[in-house]
Amino acid sequence: AQSVTQLGSHVSVSEGALVLLRCNYSSSVPPYLFWYVQYPNQGLQLLLKYTSAATLVKGINGFEAEFKKSETSFHLTKPSAHMSDAAEYFCAVSERGATNKLIFGTGTLLAVQP
Amino acid sequence: GAVVSQHPSWVICKSGTSVKIECRSLDFQATTMFWYRQFPKQSLMLMATSNEGSKATYEQGVEKDKFLINHASLTLSTLTVTSAHPEDSSFYICSAAPIDGSSYNEQFFGPGTRLTVL
Repeated sequence: AQSVTQLGSHVSVSEGALVLLRCNYSSSVPPYLFWYVQYPNQGLQLLLKYTSAATLVKGINGFEAEFKKSETSFHLTKPSAHMSDAAEYFCAVSERGATNKLIFGTGTLLAVQP
Repeated sequence: GAVVSQHPSWVICKSGTSVKIECRSLDFQATTMFWYRQFPKQSLMLMATSNEGSKATYEQGVEKDKFLINHASLTLSTLTVTSAHPEDSSFYICSAAPIDGSSYNEQFFGPGTRLTVL
């Protein structure tokens, strides 16, 4: 069975500081991996996705994530946080060849301090 | 591209009434649509998966008679909360998976519907 673990339900950084949101997955087959962002009272917006083409994936808004099979991780990073990055971030895993079902992590709320 | 809309964005209803929420893929056709429920400060919980023209597949613990799902076309799915009660109050989010098969299981999400049952 697939699962996703996001370490740290709350992360606080200063504006301009590095953002690191952690995600570890469990999957019996090579997975597809996703990071979504959710602003208050809104749906989810895709930041980036890993589909095996490249282990370092670049997404929107300056975010990127690196797939590390040996560590079963897919951590999300951004070199310099902006106030507008404050939101909830969800990591999700999907099994290849399956019915598009996504398994979400519990989410990490990112706060950006001025 | 890949826009999903939901209507209404918020709804308040009395206990015992039914509420219908629509989910539309505006610029693509969706093989599959998904319905999620999200409680405050929690993750998304998948309620059901619906495929056009067939019965929805409900996740364990989700009452199919209470949460009726209809996927009448490749661009429209509806969720009806029947005989709603205060405990059904939640944020309901739909998503859609494109029909072209090259989406790597990607889903595009609607903006959500806030349901409050008084």
